[in-house]
Amino acid sequence: DAKTTQPTSMDCAEGRAANLPCNHSTISGNEYVYWYRQIHSQGPQYIIHGLKNNETNEMASLIITEDRKSSTLILPHATLRDTAVYYCIVRVVRNTGKLIFGQGTTLQVKP
Amino acid sequence: DVKVTQSSRYLVKRTGEKVFLECVQDMDHENMFWYRQDPGLGLRLIYFSYDVKMKEKGDIPEGYSVSREKKERFSLILESASTNQTSMYLCASIVPIGGAGNTEAFFGQGTRLTVV
Repeated sequence: DAKTTQPTSMDCAEGRAANLPCNHSTISGNEYVYWYRQIHSQGPQYIIHGLKNNETNEMASLIITEDRKSSTLILPHATLRDTAVYYCIVRVVRNTGKLIFGQGTTLQVKP
Repeated sequence: DVKVTQSSRYLVKRTGEKVFLECVQDMDHENMFWYRQDPGLGLRLIYFSYDVKMKEKGDIPEGYSVSREKKERFSLILESASTNQTSMYLCASIVPIGGAGNTEAFFGQGTRLTVV
């Protein structure tokens, strides 16, 4: 599985969009980009995933560059409850689902 | 909703004890995983299982073993607990979502194990 690189930490004002970047320059053609988040003292929670098209769901949007070497998770209107560690992961389609987590980005949403 | 349940939220054990961490999922998932999470190191994969009685080593299997006698239950075993196994342990199971082989992982709440 390809490796990912994320900033260690980020701040965001409440109500503003939070844009979390992720580099995955060694991603293979069949590897999806997945995002999870972990709120303190809880297990990680799935947010969104994509292959090459931009994706949106009720939680977030995922923007993947055309060369697929990087992506950005967007929380359109961050709230204090979005404070968490956000993990960007790449994973091969149809494999066992083995997840390789990096260090993640600690997002602090401030009032 | 899919549920992944870990038997204990907090556990304190003595060095040398044999420790069992239990994980149960209620949706007939085939793939289950055990991770440990430590500050500065993120989540590291210990063992995973594709099906009943099948298991694969992850990145840090030393000092651990697993058991998968039934599809819904995946147990992590610390054969002889040591202080460096003090950690948060997370169990996850995988379920297909949508088409094209996409999958999603569901995590339990975690077990914070302290070995003294």
